[in-house]
Formats: sequence, C-alpha cells, structure tokens
Amino acid sequence: DTGVSQNPRHKITKRGQNVTFRCDPISEHNRLYWYRQTLGQGPEFLTYFQNEAQLEKSRLLSDRFSAERPKGSFSTLEIQRTEQGDSAMYLCASSFRGGIQYFGAGTRLSVL
Amino acid sequence: DAKTTQPTSMDCAEGRAANLPCNHSTISGNEYVYWYRQIHSQGPQYIIHGLKNNETNEMASLIITEDRKSSTLILPHATLRDTAVYYCIGDKNNDMRFGAGTRLTVKP
Repeated sequence: DTGVSQNPRHKITKRGQNVTFRCDPISEHNRLYWYRQTLGQGPEFLTYFQNEAQLEKSRLLSDRFSAERPKGSFSTLEIQRTEQGDSAMYLCASSFRGGIQYFGAGTRLSVL
Repeated sequence: DAKTTQPTSMDCAEGRAANLPCNHSTISGNEYVYWYRQIHSQGPQYIIHGLKNNETNEMASLIITEDRKSSTLILPHATLRDTAVYYCIGDKNNDMRFGAGTRLTVKP
C-alpha cells in the first residue's frame, strides 16, 4: 500500500492554458474524491466518484473543470482556460465504500 | 452535513495533553464526527472518528458529549510534531465539509 499518489506535485502555468492533474488512489478503494484548498482555508469538496461513476459535483466545479475516472482506478482533473483564481492546492482522497478518506499530498497550481 | 465551530488557534506545552474542542450543535443522528489534521504543505491526515461513543486509538482520544452537540479531541502527550491545523467534520454523505480548523502550536 503506497498511499494516494498525486502528480505533478507542482504546476506553474500561464493564464488561459489547460492543465491536467492525476490521482492514483489506494488500490482497493472504490471511492475517489477531489478537493481544492486555498491559503488559510480548509479543503473544499469538488467532486467524487464511486468506481467510474461521478456521483456528486460541487457548484464550485465550474464548466471549465472536468474530472474523469475512466476505469474506476486513477482519476484526472482538468482545468481549461485557467484563471488566476484557480491557483490553489488540489487534493485527492480515496476511501473504501465511503469509510475513512485518505489524502494525497496534493498538486499545487500556480496560474501566472 | 453539520456545521462545526472550532477555535481559530490554541497553544500547548510539549508533553502536556492538548484538548481541542469542537461544537456541532446541528449534527444529525447518523452523522459521524471526524477529526483530521494537516501539517504544512501536506494533505490532511485522518486521526479518529466516532458516532456516539468515546473512541481511542494510537494517535488520540475522542470524547463526544451525550447530546452529541460537541466533542473534544485529546492528544495525550503533545510533541512538537503535533503542530498542525486540526479539522473537526460532521459527515454522513462522505462529501466532507472542512472548516478553517484550529491551528495548534506545540511549544517547547
């Protein structure tokens, strides 16, 4: 068990570019979650998957954001046409059947 | 999910018990109380959770009041490495709503 893995750890991009982050959950976990965290605030829920199905999306997840989990294993979070307000830490977590959520170290996005 | 209220910050002396309070007066009967902590630049780390009964594990103890409107996380012998932001969360749907948490500083 290597824990939840997120790549890249850091991403710097220019405003208007598209970015994609990857999350590899703990292998037997069927649920996968995405959160966003800005400086000084707690993580904010964005969306979660049960296997490959996306079951809930926060209103924070604008139409520029899309998340996928095509085979019920790893997940990607894409942000299109990035804005400076998208600068944040993007956290991924996984759980088994809705139990304890285990978090990755996050991807820190800086939009210049 | 229940709204939780925590003090913004607390200090604790190294080696002493750290008692972190949380109010969750709107918690519903099937909502668990979860505690996580986040050390700078890392993802949140699970500590403990409970429904009605007090719980203890190798990291901490969780005391939940009988009316379930508040709880206390106890770190029995705080170390400098326990300096972190501690989050109390009421959760039933598994879409956890984190607040701003309590910044605990353990001082030598």
